Amino acid sequence: GQNIDQPTEMTATEGAIVQINCTYQTSGFNGLFWYQQHAGEAPTFLSYNVLDGLEEKGRFSSFLSRSKGYSYLLLKELQMKDSASYLCAVPNDYKLSFGAGTTVTVRA
Amino acid sequence: GAGVSQSPSNKVTEKGKDVELRCDPISGHTALYWYRQRLGQGLEFLIYFQGNSAPDKSGLPSDRFSAERTGESVSTLTIQRTQQEDSAVYLCASSLARAPEQYFGPGTRLTVT
Repeated sequence: GQNIDQPTEMTATEGAIVQINCTYQTSGFNGLFWYQQHAGEAPTFLSYNVLDGLEEKGRFSSFLSRSKGYSYLLLKELQMKDSASYLCAVPNDYKLSFGAGTTVTVRA
Repeated sequence: GAGVSQSPSNKVTEKGKDVELRCDPISGHTALYWYRQRLGQGLEFLIYFQGNSAPDKSGLPSDRFSAERTGESVSTLTIQRTQQEDSAVYLCASSLARAPEQYFGPGTRLTVT
């Protein structure tokens, strides 16, 4: 089975940096996803890491360490629109197993 | 192009009634998934379709839940004799065959009173 843990809530100031950690325990590993979900909306794809290391995509970066079962999503230069829930997910063959999500609140 | 669409966006029903939720996947996506998201919780996998067949129904919480897909397109999730614990957002996603990235619809918010 899958066990995926991430913090419930984080608060940060506009312009700051926030790091959302995700730890996982899986029977097999086929990569790790990060999704963003604004309240009442569909989750939208942010990143997919298969290999160890940091992948940067604009203000968002995602890091993976397979040996440690650990990933983080780094949000830089925070904007008010970044207030959302961030979901860590691990594929289990064809389906995704999700963490409970981290609600990020950006304050002015 | 058009994304995944779901209808209705909101549904309020009385306990004991049946409900039907609809999902229109992205054209050409042969894989389709249903998930449930309860308030404050992560997404739970319900069922997966590859084409019209459902090789994995393991996530369906009870025999009151069923789903079908016709024409490798539209899927419907049916919940019979709804209970209050069925209240949740039901999300549909689709993907290309064997592709890891899933594209989600906006969900149907179901409230059972």
